[in-house]
Amino acid sequence: EADIYQTPRYLVIGTGKKITLECSQTMGHDKMYWYQQDPGMELHLIHYSYGVNSTEKGDLSSESTVSRIRTEHFPLTLESARPSHTSQYLCATSRDPSTDTQYFGPGTRLTVL
Amino acid sequence: DAKTTQPPSMDCAEGRAANLPCNHSTISGNEYVYWYRQIHSQGPQYIIHGLKNNETNEMASLIITEDRKSSTLILPHATLRDTAVYYCIVRGGTVGGNTPLVFGKGTRLSVIA
Repeated sequence: EADIYQTPRYLVIGTGKKITLECSQTMGHDKMYWYQQDPGMELHLIHYSYGVNSTEKGDLSSESTVSRIRTEHFPLTLESARPSHTSQYLCATSRDPSTDTQYFGPGTRLTVL
Repeated sequence: DAKTTQPPSMDCAEGRAANLPCNHSTISGNEYVYWYRQIHSQGPQYIIHGLKNNETNEMASLIITEDRKSSTLILPHATLRDTAVYYCIVRGGTVGGNTPLVFGKGTRLSVIA
């Protein structure tokens, strides 16, 4: 299994602040993903990456941005947080290039006041 | 990718087998069937996947019908810790395939003591 770390686990922040959610993995997986999930609702893919310098938008429109400068890190940034960004953000990695079995981190629960 | 249909919820008595159905009548020849589960507020966990043949691992068994239009995930001896939302996902498995997994609403399984 992949070791996937997300920090912070919980974040409460005021409107207008810039925030970066960190995701890191130690297994050298090329593919990484960010999902957004509201309580009791479906997971929605917001960003993904196939490797260094590769980023793609997912099926849910998001005001966040991502970068992939190193294989191990896939940070997600919100330039100006709003209450509508309150949600859980889940990072995942994929090992097998053909079957895309994904491994998820513990998530970051973000609250914007 | 083919869409899937799952019952929104199911109950199962502790110690009994839990059989979770999934319909994927529009599945095509190169698409895999994946099962994940999500225990409350955690990231989803990979369970099992298959293409044509039945599969078994330490967590569960996956039974795929001969025409591949439906499948069943079997938890042979359900415990209270198996209470979770179970997602059935169908995705093409070409080498280097670029389509991420799409999670739907899943089945909420409640294991009852």
